[in-house]
Amino acid sequence: KNEVEQSPQNLTAQEGEFITINCSYSVGISALHWLQQHPGGGIVSLFMLSSGKKKHGRLIATINIQEKHSSLHITASHPRDSAVYICAVESGGTSYGKLTFGQGTILTVHP
Amino acid sequence: DAGITQSPRHKVTETGTPVTLRCHQTENHRYMYWYRQDPGHGLRLIHYSYGVKDTDKGEVSDGYSVSRSKTEDFLLTLESATSSQTSVYFCAISDWRGTEAFFGQGTRLTVV
Repeated sequence: KNEVEQSPQNLTAQEGEFITINCSYSVGISALHWLQQHPGGGIVSLFMLSSGKKKHGRLIATINIQEKHSSLHITASHPRDSAVYICAVESGGTSYGKLTFGQGTILTVHP
Repeated sequence: DAGITQSPRHKVTETGTPVTLRCHQTENHRYMYWYRQDPGHGLRLIHYSYGVKDTDKGEVSDGYSVSRSKTEDFLLTLESATSSQTSVYFCAISDWRGTEAFFGQGTRLTVV
């Protein structure tokens, strides 16, 4: 079993829909990251969370430390949101910021 | 955008040849990482550095070595490239545990 599990693996939506991507992890963590990768592109950090909730524009990220679960929400989705969304965790202790990644969720938003 | 540059961006090399990938940062961040990304495996840690001359192995370090002689540069070397090392390689930097990570644009390496 992977330390970091994302669901769904693939997600197709119509423009304007509300989208949720889930991430569950099995280890104690010091932080959780949500990353975005466009096809053929680099990786961009969206959020870094250690507790609670963060919002940036149409994106919202939440984390429940007790349940070892995080969600990434996209409100009013747009075709430019089409990308791979990756959850990654930093383990607790002396991790030096090393990340363990989920497999990614491929999001396609149709106009 | 964080100042992190990978070179080369694309490389095709033959089996058995040595290859060095370079990661250069202008952020003065302490921590640097090399990851590889493969279909079905996602991103996995190869090696990381927690300071000049301080490096350690990650999850998939076999066949790779690294060096960091100054803060801004982190080199990844494939001593004798194999086809299984065909991948996309990403460098990342961070300032401290629990802070945002910044990624380079990636290097697509093909070993033929």
